[in-house]
Amino acid sequence: GQQVMQIPQYQHVQEGEDFTTYCNSSTTLSNIQWYKQRPGGHPVFLIQLVKSGEVKKQKRLTFQFGEAKKNSSLHITATQTTDVGTYFCAGGSARQLTFGSGTQLTVLP
Amino acid sequence: DSGVTQTPKHLITATGQRVTLRCSPRSGDLSVYWYQQSLDQGLQFLIQYYNGEERAKGNILERFSAQQFPDLHSELNLSSLELGDSALYFCASSVERWAYNEQFFGPGTRLTVL
Repeated sequence: GQQVMQIPQYQHVQEGEDFTTYCNSSTTLSNIQWYKQRPGGHPVFLIQLVKSGEVKKQKRLTFQFGEAKKNSSLHITATQTTDVGTYFCAGGSARQLTFGSGTQLTVLP
Repeated sequence: DSGVTQTPKHLITATGQRVTLRCSPRSGDLSVYWYQQSLDQGLQFLIQYYNGEERAKGNILERFSAQQFPDLHSELNLSSLELGDSALYFCASSVERWAYNEQFFGPGTRLTVL
């Protein structure tokens, strides 16, 4: 079945540093979604990418979808303590969202 | 607040027992999804219901079952519980039947099997 790999598993950064998490799928995806889960919370939808090569920005967050629609990345510029949490990518097909294992981001003040 | 509600928040039970987790989707959402989140497995898709009918199945054990009622709330039944079933169980909902639509997650039910 479809597998979605995500790296790194953990990332510690100093506040103000940049952060990137990468996502790779074993199959071509209909779309890719990104979710953020704060400690003790539930996943919250951030964004959806649909088109090959698509790039979307939300303030300090930049999301990319690969040309082959099999990989994606999330880049955060100048991290803040509010960025703490686990970031999940999720590969979409009509019948199932397959979540990556997540990248747990710690931001040190 | 996503608009998705789940009860109970916490559940502690013993091995071999059966429990029922309940989920009410956002108003207007017809799809309900169940996920299991454990430390070593990440978020695993279990099952999806759309407007009362089972639409997709993921890694759901035979000891687990679910249903969606006419008022669109859903229940996940876990039986013959084992220690390894201890996890966070999330319900999510979306408007349409396609899993690649944005999903709204509930706060989760933390199940502890002793």
